[in-house]
Amino acid sequence: EAGVVQSPRYKIIEKKQPVAFWCNPISGHNTLYWYRQNLGQGPELLIRYENEEAVDDSQLPKDRFSAERLKGVDSTLKIQPAELGDSAVYLCASSLPGSGSFSEQFFGPGTRLTVL
Amino acid sequence: AQSVTQLDSHVSVSEGTPVLLRCNYSSSYSPSLFWYVQHPNKGLQLLLKYTSAATLVKGINGFEAEFKKSETSFHLTKPSAHMSDAAEYFCVVSDRIQGAQKLVFGQGTRLTINP
Repeated sequence: EAGVVQSPRYKIIEKKQPVAFWCNPISGHNTLYWYRQNLGQGPELLIRYENEEAVDDSQLPKDRFSAERLKGVDSTLKIQPAELGDSAVYLCASSLPGSGSFSEQFFGPGTRLTVL
Repeated sequence: AQSVTQLDSHVSVSEGTPVLLRCNYSSSYSPSLFWYVQHPNKGLQLLLKYTSAATLVKGINGFEAEFKKSETSFHLTKPSAHMSDAAEYFCVVSDRIQGAQKLVFGQGTRLTINP
């Protein structure tokens, strides 16, 4: 079974340019997460989707970041315009619904963004 | 809020010797704790989880961790290191936000295995 797929794997852009990341979760996983992992740190949650609804976007910098999950499957995360401090690895994860118990999150390989 | 502190940013051991990666947690209630491993250019993978059952938890690839409430610790161990264990390891605590789980990651410990 295919895991979480992300593209592109690497992206280099100049500051003030827009950039978008794409994620295809594991089939049947209704919950989708976007994380940002800065160099030398652990991942931090940006946004969580339950199907097509963003249920937790409290950590998403809304002035320049946006996300969507049309049809409740694939998702895109966009930054416009990018800043130097946005250089990081952006991780996508998915899980089965698990409101009452732990539901393992499966992570993709990430997109490494470098902003020059 | 829940948090974890990984006490070592880098651990280096020789192949065949024991591994100890240290983690302390802060929680206002009984936590759920996890260890994840991240190999270069690969996704994070769950090693093991503690969810208030047995305090000694066994995971994949020979790793195990012991939940010690009195010490607020959840250290990861392996009796004998293998070269393939070289990776970044994250201690993670689960917080419950809006009825759903939210993973809070530590800073990570880079494990190097010397031949």
